[in-house]
Amino acid sequence: AQSVSQHNHHVILSEAASLELGCNYSYGGTVNLFWYVQYPGQHLQLLLKYFSGDPLVKGIKGFEAEFIKSKFSFNLRKPSVQWSDTAEYFCAVNGRGNKLVFGAGTILRVKS
Amino acid sequence: DTAVSQTPKYLVTQMGNDKSIKCEQNLGHDTMYWYKQDSKKFLKIMFSYNNKELIINETVPNRFSPKSPDKAHLNLHINSLELGDSAVYFCASSLAGGENTEAFFGQGTRLTVV
Repeated sequence: AQSVSQHNHHVILSEAASLELGCNYSYGGTVNLFWYVQYPGQHLQLLLKYFSGDPLVKGIKGFEAEFIKSKFSFNLRKPSVQWSDTAEYFCAVNGRGNKLVFGAGTILRVKS
Repeated sequence: DTAVSQTPKYLVTQMGNDKSIKCEQNLGHDTMYWYKQDSKKFLKIMFSYNNKELIINETVPNRFSPKSPDKAHLNLHINSLELGDSAVYFCASSLAGGENTEAFFGQGTRLTVV
């Protein structure tokens, strides 16, 4: 069965600090990988996705993620966070059967 | 143009009542989902339909019954509501397989059972 684990549930950073959010998944087959963001009071929006090709994926708002197949990981990074990045971030995996499974989420708070 | 729309956005109801949440997508997708986001913000899949057929049914009480009249709609009916059903319910849609399997989400329905 597919599962996704996100290492930190709460992260607090100061503006301009670098961000890395961990995501590991368990599924032996071909996967599609996603990071979604949920701003306070809003619905989920896609940040970036990986289907195939270059394992370093660039998304919106300066975010990027690297797929490391040997580690079953898809960590999200941003070199310099802004106050407006305060949100909850969800890693998701879509394997066989088109079942999009989410991690528990990481709440990021950026202090101005 | 709203891609995935849910109604209502807010729903407050008493225990024991029966309620429905509607979802419609105009993206031409063939797969639709219902997710529940609890108070701890954990997002859990409940159901998934592909071309009106149920393909995923997670461990959800029988009181929850999805209905898909066509590919563009997936409604969620809940019988005998309980306090623990209070949550935000998100509808989503996607295309099955291929390169475009990202899911698009609705705005969510905040259900409060009192």
